[in-house]
Amino acid sequence: AQSVAQPEDQVNVAEGNPLTVKCTYSVSGNPYLFWYVQYPNRGLQFLLKYITGDNLVKGSYGFEAEFNKSQTSFHLKKPSALVSDSALYFCAVRDWWDNFNKFYFGSGTKLNVKP
Amino acid sequence: GAVVSQHPSWVICKSGTSVKIECRSLDFQATTMFWYRQFPKQSLMLMATSNEGSKATYEQGVEKDKFLINHASLTLSTLTVTSAHPEDSSFYICSARTGDYQPQHFGDGTRLSIL
Repeated sequence: AQSVAQPEDQVNVAEGNPLTVKCTYSVSGNPYLFWYVQYPNRGLQFLLKYITGDNLVKGSYGFEAEFNKSQTSFHLKKPSALVSDSALYFCAVRDWWDNFNKFYFGSGTKLNVKP
Repeated sequence: GAVVSQHPSWVICKSGTSVKIECRSLDFQATTMFWYRQFPKQSLMLMATSNEGSKATYEQGVEKDKFLINHASLTLSTLTVTSAHPEDSSFYICSARTGDYQPQHFGDGTRLSIL
C-alpha cells in the first residue's frame, strides 16, 4: 500500500539558517514524489517533483529536495530560511503504476521561521 | 500556467441546504480532476476522482449520494453537497492534472460552514 510519513508535526528554524522538512514514503512500484506548500485558507502550491533522473531536485522559491531510494526518503531543504517560508508543507507520492494519478499525502509539517 | 479556479471561496448556509462548488481549469484541459476534504490541522483526504464524461470514482467511506460530482467538460468539475449538515462543514479543495506525469494543480479551496 502507498503511504507517506512526515515524522515532524512542526519544525522551528531561525531566519537565515538552513531548514529540512522530512518525508519518507512507501509505494509498490517506482515513486513519483512531490512537495507542496499551503498558506492559511489557501489551496496547495506546487514546489517541486521527482520523477526520474538526478536525485537532487530544485524547485520554486529556492527549495530543493533529495531523493534517496535506499532510505525511501525525499526530504525538503533550503539553504537559508525566510520568515515568509512559514507555512504548512505536504509531501505526496504517486505510484508509477497508478494511471489515475492518485496522490497520497503526508500529514503535513508546519514550518515556523523566526526572525 | 496551470491555473485552477475554485468558486466560491467561502459559503455559509443553513442545515438542509444543498451547496455547489465549482472547479475550473483556466488555461488547460483536465480529463481528471480530484476532490479533497481537509479538516483543521490535518492532511488532505481524497474524496473522489472526477473523470470527464463518466462517473466519478469515490474513495471508500465517501457517500456518493451525499457528495455529487459532475465533470461535464474538460475544464469544469462540480461538487454538490446535498442536504448539508453541520458535520459537512470543512475545507474542500479541488485539483487537476495537466498530463500523466505532471503534478496536480490545486484550487484555493472552499470553506463550507453549515449552521
